[in-house]
Amino acid sequence: AQTVTQSQPEMSVQEAETVTLSCTYDTSESDYYLFWYKQPPSRQMILVIRQEAYKQQNATENRFSVNFQKAAKSFSLKISDSQLGDAAMYFCAYRSPKAAGNKLTFGGGTRVLVKP
Amino acid sequence: EPEVTQTPSHQVTQMGQEVILRCVPISNHLYFYWYRQILGQKVEFLVSFYNNEISEKSEIFDDQFSVERPDGSNFTLKIRSTKLEDSAMYFCASSELLGHTEAFFGQGTRLTVV
Repeated sequence: AQTVTQSQPEMSVQEAETVTLSCTYDTSESDYYLFWYKQPPSRQMILVIRQEAYKQQNATENRFSVNFQKAAKSFSLKISDSQLGDAAMYFCAYRSPKAAGNKLTFGGGTRVLVKP
Repeated sequence: EPEVTQTPSHQVTQMGQEVILRCVPISNHLYFYWYRQILGQKVEFLVSFYNNEISEKSEIFDDQFSVERPDGSNFTLKIRSTKLEDSAMYFCASSELLGHTEAFFGQGTRLTVV
């Protein structure tokens, strides 16, 4: 079974600075999908960014980018020019394209605090 | 922009009672899911549903739980005889296709069992 680990329970960043959240996962599959979801205080889960394992190029969405290291099974999220609205829980998630149920397996989350 | 809608936003129920959590997935989506998040813990998969049947369920999803798509638009999660440990945030999600598209989540229903 796949597992996802986020080793940082909490990260603090100064407004306008950069913060990097780590995520590692365990899988025997070669093809899969990785995601970062943001959960603000409203507790809704919002997709931030996705990465297909077969793509070598790291995904980027505006101020959010990932560093995908397939051999190391690492998928970190970088938030550049941090804004107050970035304060939230961030969850890394894995999905196998082969799983019958298409389910997501989530890490334990990292809380991001943004200091003005 | 289309979105997944869940009702109610907060449900308080007595232990032992039955609750039904409701979701309206995005209209052209084919896969539907329920996830649970106990306060302070990770989001856990409960069940996925496709073509009017369960595709996969976790060990959490025991006989106490059931899902249904009663009318082609709603997707419900029923919890029979609720327990205190069922208190959690329940998220509905939907996706368009298997494997290649992301799941979109609703805003969640906070279930409190007293």
